[in-house]
Amino acid sequence: NAGVTQTPKFQVLKTGQSMTLQCAQDMNHEYMSWYRQDPGMGLRLIHYSVGAGITDQGEVPNGYNVSRSTTEDFPLRLLSAAPSQTSVYFCASSSDRVDEQYFGPGTRLTVT
Amino acid sequence: GQSLEQPSEVTAVEGAIVQINCTYQTSGFYGLSWYQQHDGGAPTFLSYNALDGLEETGRFSSFLSRSDSYGYLLLQELQMKDSASYFCAVRDEAGSTLTFGKGTMLLVSP
Repeated sequence: NAGVTQTPKFQVLKTGQSMTLQCAQDMNHEYMSWYRQDPGMGLRLIHYSVGAGITDQGEVPNGYNVSRSTTEDFPLRLLSAAPSQTSVYFCASSSDRVDEQYFGPGTRLTVT
Repeated sequence: GQSLEQPSEVTAVEGAIVQINCTYQTSGFYGLSWYQQHDGGAPTFLSYNALDGLEETGRFSSFLSRSDSYGYLLLQELQMKDSASYFCAVRDEAGSTLTFGKGTMLLVSP
């Protein structure tokens, strides 16, 4: 099993550009989440999903969209990138044992 | 909402024992989780306590007191590779995802 995969690993965007961060898992997990990590701020939840077709907002959803058309994939879309979105983005998945989450390797995004 | 407090940094020497504390406030409590994250890496799950008491996994142990809204991670026989950030986490109100503390950076010196 590959576990949770994320692409790309690194990305540089200009202000106003849009892009999609990809996340996929092969563990048949129902629960998936996107977090961003900034120095001194820990992991903050952006959006999450409890199954295909079901998504909800987390703590910091503004500027991001998600969809969950399949159990495996949970892409995160940046609509119009801003320097404040410079961060490391982690995707995670879990079974109904939500307390034990499996994280992808992260995407390091810089917006100039 | 959920909130968690943990120290920002802890230092210790190789071979020692260190305790990382976490206090939490939640509107609904399922249990307390701990994650480890090495610099530049992804968080990895360490342990979970749903009930009061101590859970041991090798050199690592985790403790929970529900009445005190408090838990800790205990690392014994510290090694240089234990230098990392450690996060405590609780489920969100809906029980569908996690809210994390801001993390404790552990620095182990020779």
